[in-house]
Amino acid sequence: KAGVTQTPRYLIKTRGQQVTLSCSPISGHRSVSWYQQTPGQGLQFLFEYFSETQRNKGNFPGRFSGRQFSNSRSEMNVSTLELGDSALYLCASWAGILSSGANVLTFGAGSRLTVL
Amino acid sequence: DQQVKQNSPSLSVQEGRISILNCDYTNSMFDYFLWYKKYPAEGPTFLISISSIKDKNEDGRFTVFLNKSAKHLSLHIVPSQPGDSAVYFCAAPLPRSTGNQFYFGTGTSLTVIP
Repeated sequence: KAGVTQTPRYLIKTRGQQVTLSCSPISGHRSVSWYQQTPGQGLQFLFEYFSETQRNKGNFPGRFSGRQFSNSRSEMNVSTLELGDSALYLCASWAGILSSGANVLTFGAGSRLTVL
Repeated sequence: DQQVKQNSPSLSVQEGRISILNCDYTNSMFDYFLWYKKYPAEGPTFLISISSIKDKNEDGRFTVFLNKSAKHLSLHIVPSQPGDSAVYFCAAPLPRSTGNQFYFGTGTSLTVIP
């Protein structure tokens, strides 16, 4: 079973530009969530999509947006980039809470964004 | 609002000894906890979890302990190996939520010295 695939892995942008990141979840998983990881801040929840609908949203400004397609692939967009947006952006695939009670996110390798 | 906290940014342990990583939480509604391990340039990988109905869960060299009254959990690695050197995050999903939203600690960087 293929894992979570994120593209691109690395990218460099300048302030004011916008960026789009892509994520393909594990086959059969309909939930995709996005997290931002910065040094000292851990992983911060951005939003979750399920069946093409945003189901949960974290405390990030409106410059951060996302969408999900009918094949469950998801994209997130950051507009008007700021230096503080430099981070590792992680996508996670979720199968739901299993009958065993297991409730686990499976992460991709991340997209490392550097804003200059 | 940091609902899951890891107060030790780093930890160094000699190979073969025990590594103890700590995590505190503030939300008494949390009923499930996870530990993730992260190597540089990779995404976090799931390591071990525990439900709030238990106070201990063991998987090989890894054991997680949960103290609900203290709102504290810990991850024990015995014996520690150099390959365990990584950043460890504790996490908890928002309970009784439609969908998923997980809260993560800020991570503890473990270095196992050969």
